[in-house]
Amino acid sequence: AQSVTQLDSHVSVSEGTPVLLRCNYSSSYSPSLFWYVQHPNKGLQLLLKYTSAATLVKGINGFEAEFKKSETSFHLTKPSAHMSDAAEYFCVVSDDSNYQLIWGAGTKLIIKP
Amino acid sequence: GAGVSQTPSNKVTEKGKYVELRCDPISGHTALYWYRQSLGQGPEFLIYFQGTGAADDSGLPNDRFFAVRPEGSVSTLKIQRTERGDSAVYLCASSATGGWGETQYFGPGTRLLVL
Repeated sequence: AQSVTQLDSHVSVSEGTPVLLRCNYSSSYSPSLFWYVQHPNKGLQLLLKYTSAATLVKGINGFEAEFKKSETSFHLTKPSAHMSDAAEYFCVVSDDSNYQLIWGAGTKLIIKP
Repeated sequence: GAGVSQTPSNKVTEKGKYVELRCDPISGHTALYWYRQSLGQGPEFLIYFQGTGAADDSGLPNDRFFAVRPEGSVSTLKIQRTERGDSAVYLCASSATGGWGETQYFGPGTRLLVL
């Protein structure tokens, strides 16, 4: 069975410093992987996705993620945090054979001024 | 273009009552999904529609929960005899065809509170 582990429930960084949100997955086959962001009282928005093309995926708002099969990781990074990045981030893997999304528990990103 | 919309945005009801939650997917999307998100957790899959039919309802927690999509567009999630444990945010998503790896687009959710 597939699963997703987000290694940190909370991450706190200062504005202007790099962001790293960690995600590990388990999958029997080549997965599709996604990062979604959820701002307070807003809907889930897709940041980026990996579907077996380039291993370094660029998303919106300056975020990117690298698929590392040997480490079964898909960590999300951003070079310089902005106050507007404060939100909950979810790492998601798509089920091997169909549409079902398997969600991590989420990482809350806190940005200090 | 218009995204996924959900109504109402908030619903407060009493234990034992019946509620309906509505989802309007992106126009032309054949696949529609319902999820439930409890506080501090990621969304939990409930049901998937392909057109008018429920292709997978394995996530519905019990027979108090039911969903329909009679014309292959708008969907309604129905909860009978609500319980306090049903309190959560109910999310709807749609995608173009339901294929593997396809992006699902989410609505803002309906926050249900059962007193």
